[in-house]
Amino acid sequence: QSVLTQPPSASGTPGQRVTISCSGSSSNIGINTVNWYQQLPGTAPRLLIYSDNQRPSGVPDRFSGSKSGTSASLTISGLQSEDEADYYCAAWDDSLNGYVFGTGTKVTAL
Amino acid sequence: QVQLVQSGGEVKKPGASVKVSCKASGYPFTNYGITWVRQAPGQGLEWMGWISVYNGNTDYAQKFQGRITMTTDTSTTTAYMELRSLRSDDTAVYYCARHIYGGISDWFDPWGQGTLVAVSS
Repeated sequence: QSVLTQPPSASGTPGQRVTISCSGSSSNIGINTVNWYQQLPGTAPRLLIYSDNQRPSGVPDRFSGSKSGTSASLTISGLQSEDEADYYCAAWDDSLNGYVFGTGTKVTAL
Repeated sequence: QVQLVQSGGEVKKPGASVKVSCKASGYPFTNYGITWVRQAPGQGLEWMGWISVYNGNTDYAQKFQGRITMTTDTSTTTAYMELRSLRSDDTAVYYCARHIYGGISDWFDPWGQGTLVAVSS
């Protein structure tokens, strides 16, 4: 029972823009930064975005993050077939005094 | 390069304990923490807790308090996670990750390859 809610799936044709939402509350996204992780099939998760909108070195610039109030979004500008994966948002939750992950979104390239 | 290499898979009986190791390399081990996350088959990610390698302070998710212990060995740059009183629903892939922290920002990078722990009678 995650406290961060994501749509279970998202899809687009190659080249299309895909946006994934992450809804939280005043105890997590509202006061702490959001990170995004990508999990390719059968592999360990990988950091995609940290501190709301920062990209680690090596992450393509078609991935971007944003935050407003108690919600955050991950956008893939120009979907590619290799982007098919599960995506998780995450943030520290001050009420739970713990880190929480979103429910996860499976992205499919049609 | 920064790398975390975990121990191999384990099969345990209900009620037993498991201790997973995570060998870090390529960075100053004591400057960061280690976080542990698990993923049950077909399910999402679940944060279990983290340890500050610098001072050994731990923060466990409430769900695991009382049956989890995280430790580190700075001489071998290895972190350990022990989970006791295993149940069938503890069957999962367990990941370690370098925990980077600062103010209101915490993130995990990189992650270990994962260790499958299967609990079955």
